[in-house]
Amino acid sequence: NAGVTQTPKFQVLKTGQSMTLQCAQDMNHEYMSWYRQDPGMGLRLIHYSVGAGITDQGEVPNGYNVSRSTTEDFPLRLLSAAPSQTSVYFCASSYSRAGLSYNSPLHFGNGTRLTVT
Amino acid sequence: EDKVVQSPLSLVVHEGDTVTLNCSYEVTNFRSLLWYKQEKKAPTFLFMLTSSGIEKKSGRLSSILDKKELFSILNITATQTGDSAVYLCAVYDGTYKYIFGTGTRLKVLA
Repeated sequence: NAGVTQTPKFQVLKTGQSMTLQCAQDMNHEYMSWYRQDPGMGLRLIHYSVGAGITDQGEVPNGYNVSRSTTEDFPLRLLSAAPSQTSVYFCASSYSRAGLSYNSPLHFGNGTRLTVT
Repeated sequence: EDKVVQSPLSLVVHEGDTVTLNCSYEVTNFRSLLWYKQEKKAPTFLFMLTSSGIEKKSGRLSSILDKKELFSILNITATQTGDSAVYLCAVYDGTYKYIFGTGTRLKVLA
């Protein structure tokens, strides 16, 4: 059981370059999300999705795009990378159904360490 | 604004010590509180708490929630070097958002 798989593990970009961070889960989770983790800031939500075709913004969405064409995949796109986007990015998923009073725990991928020079 | 605050920020103890990590929250629509352990890579799930006063336990780790005073504690007894990690607290607000604290970095010395 692979769980949540993120690729690549490491990436170095120059300012202005674009790239896509990949995330796939094999647990049939409807809820998927992207976080960035910076020293002293904790995990901050970038975007999330509650099902195929549905996405919404989190706390820090600027500079990032997402789409959700299948239940399994939730890629994160950086259209024009900036040094402020240097961070560790985590994809996470959970079981979710509308009307539940609580959500199930988030399952995290192993992260992508991104450096923008 | 919703927030989750963890204390202390960091902690150094010796093997065999008992530690208590704190998590307080101000979240408009509290639904559940979760604890995670993060070593080098992905945070791994420890506990999810939804009801006050009911202790969750797993080996040497235990946690309890106080919804009146808006806090939770994570206890680790007889600490081992393998407990060294960052411990994260998160609150789920019922709108598909998890609000994370900045974490407590625990170092256990042999």
